[in-house]
Parts: sequence; structure tokens; C-alpha cells
Amino acid sequence: DVKVTQSSRYLVKRTGEKVFLECVQDMDHENMFWYRQDPGLGLRLIYFSYDVKMKEKGDIPEGYSVSREKKERFSLILESASTNQTSMYLCASSLPPTDTQYFGPGTRLTVL
Amino acid sequence: TQLLEQSPQFLSIQEGENLTVYCNSSSVFSSLQWYRQEPGEGPVLLVTVVTGGEVKKLKRLTFQFGDARKDSSLHITAAQPGDTGLYLCAGDSGGSNYKLTFGKGTLLTVNP
Repeated sequence: DVKVTQSSRYLVKRTGEKVFLECVQDMDHENMFWYRQDPGLGLRLIYFSYDVKMKEKGDIPEGYSVSREKKERFSLILESASTNQTSMYLCASSLPPTDTQYFGPGTRLTVL
Repeated sequence: TQLLEQSPQFLSIQEGENLTVYCNSSSVFSSLQWYRQEPGEGPVLLVTVVTGGEVKKLKRLTFQFGDARKDSSLHITAAQPGDTGLYLCAGDSGGSNYKLTFGKGTLLTVNP
């Protein structure tokens, strides 16, 4: 079974803090994705990566950056957290040529 | 920008009832996936449909892909409380980046 794990299920941070969200997959998948999920807005793609050290902006990259130094790990970084970044963050991975995405359990981030 | 519209947004029914959830777009997709997300968890793939007009069954769930590959439906027969969750459709427009376009979801509650 594919397993995607996220470093924290719940996280509370203060405005202005630097926040790291970690995602690890154990199935040698090439593609990894970061989404945020908000009521009424659905899943919105922040960044994705199709290879080590490669990244592409998704639909809402502002205020975020990512890092993929190893194939199995994809990190999402909030350089200076703001209250409007309070959300559920979901990581996913997939293996070409299929487009099935396997999701982690999510991190519910609250920025105070 | 490709969009997937899901309807209804919310659905609350009694155990044993039937229901249909719709996923519509003006764009053509090479494939379409349905995911179910339970509270506090990430989405999990239910099915992928690829061919226009395709019908797939998964126990009490029936999935259909429109002939023109622009729309899809999910029908649940004799719903059970365990079917409660957020149902998401996601379309793959093809190409090499394997990004998916997600609908905003249908939140289904099945009351005992």
C-alpha cells in the first residue's frame, strides 16, 4: 500500500513565524503535490514537483515555497505565516503515467 | 482554466435512500476520478473512468463518464451511514504534468 505521511496532524503558529510542513511518501513516486483545502473553495494546488529539485507553481503559490531535496520528501514552507493561511494542508503523490493521487492525512494549521 | 462543477454541494439523506452526485465541465478530460474524503483524513481514490460512456460499479456505487468526456455522475444505491463523507471529482486534461483539476465536492450525510 502507498503511504503518504505528514509531519503533524495539527499545528498552531503565530503570525510572522516560519512554518515547515513535511510530507514523505514511501512508494518511489516521482510527482508530489501540496494543496490547501478550505470550506467552499475545495482543493487548491499550491506547488507541485515532478522530480528531485524540480518544482512548479500551482494556482495559489503566493506566500509559500517548497523544497524537494530527496525523492521521497516534499516540504512546504510558509516564510512568514499569516492568519489567512489558516487551513487544511494536504500532500499527495503520484507515479506517472497514472494520474491517481495518493493523499496524506492532512495538517490542520491554525495561525493566530 | 478548466473547471469542474459539482452538484449538489450538500446532501443529507436517510439510510436506504438512493442519490446521485454530478460533476460537470465545459472542458474535455482524458480521464476522471472520484475520491471520497472522510472527516480528518485525506481523499482516497474510489474509481477512475477513462472512456466516454464508461460505467463502473463498485458495490453499491455506480460511476458514469459522459459520452463527450465532459461530465460524470456517481449514483449510490441504498445509502448507508458509512457512505458519509466528502465526494470529490477530479479531471485529468492530459499532458505531461499529471495535475488534476478538482471539483469543490459534495458533502454527503447519511442519517441512520
